[in-house]
Amino acid sequence: QSVLTQPPSASGTPGQRVIISCSGSSSNIGSNNVNWYQQLPGTAPKLLIYSNDQRPSGVPDRFSGSKSGTSASLAISGLQSEDEADYFCATWDDRLNGPDVVFGGGTKLTVL
Amino acid sequence: EVQLEQSGAEVKKPGESLKISCKASGYSFTTYWIAWVRQRPGKGLEWMGIIYPGDSDTKYSPSFQGHVTISADQSLFAAYLQWTSLKASDTAMYYCTRLDTRGYYYWGQGTLVTVSS
Repeated sequence: QSVLTQPPSASGTPGQRVIISCSGSSSNIGSNNVNWYQQLPGTAPKLLIYSNDQRPSGVPDRFSGSKSGTSASLAISGLQSEDEADYFCATWDDRLNGPDVVFGGGTKLTVL
Repeated sequence: EVQLEQSGAEVKKPGESLKISCKASGYSFTTYWIAWVRQRPGKGLEWMGIIYPGDSDTKYSPSFQGHVTISADQSLFAAYLQWTSLKASDTAMYYCTRLDTRGYYYWGQGTLVTVSS
């Protein structure tokens, strides 16, 4: 059971806009920035969004992130077949027994 | 070019010990934290802990404290993850990744550890 809650799956057709949610609590998303990672099959994760809504250089502007309260979202517009991957949200959790990085359980995106 | 090169796949028996490595190049090794992340087959990502090679300051996730040891060798530009007694539940892909102001941007290719009798 992951500390951050994501839907296990999402889907869309080419060109569509898809939104993936990530729900947490006041000790994690509520008080820290959120990053998003994309993991293509058989590869290492790739940083997609950092500090809630910033894109590293090279990441297309079709990908955007947002955060409100204890939830965050990743939006992918103009969906393409190569976007088919697993997506993970991540943030710090300020736990009583020490800070910890927590990930969401991941959302498998299928491009129909 | 920043690179994190991990050691190769391992097949071990329960109870055996193991140390896997992550060799860094293309940047100042001692000035960036390196973390280890576990991914069990078909599952999500789990942050295990992090080390600052400059002074070996190490922080562990409460979930992994006492089960693994993270270390670094400045002279070899390498970080390590080790177990003294492996369990079948340690079977997973293990990634090292460098922390910078953006988050975990650079990742190793992963080391697959299989523990089976």
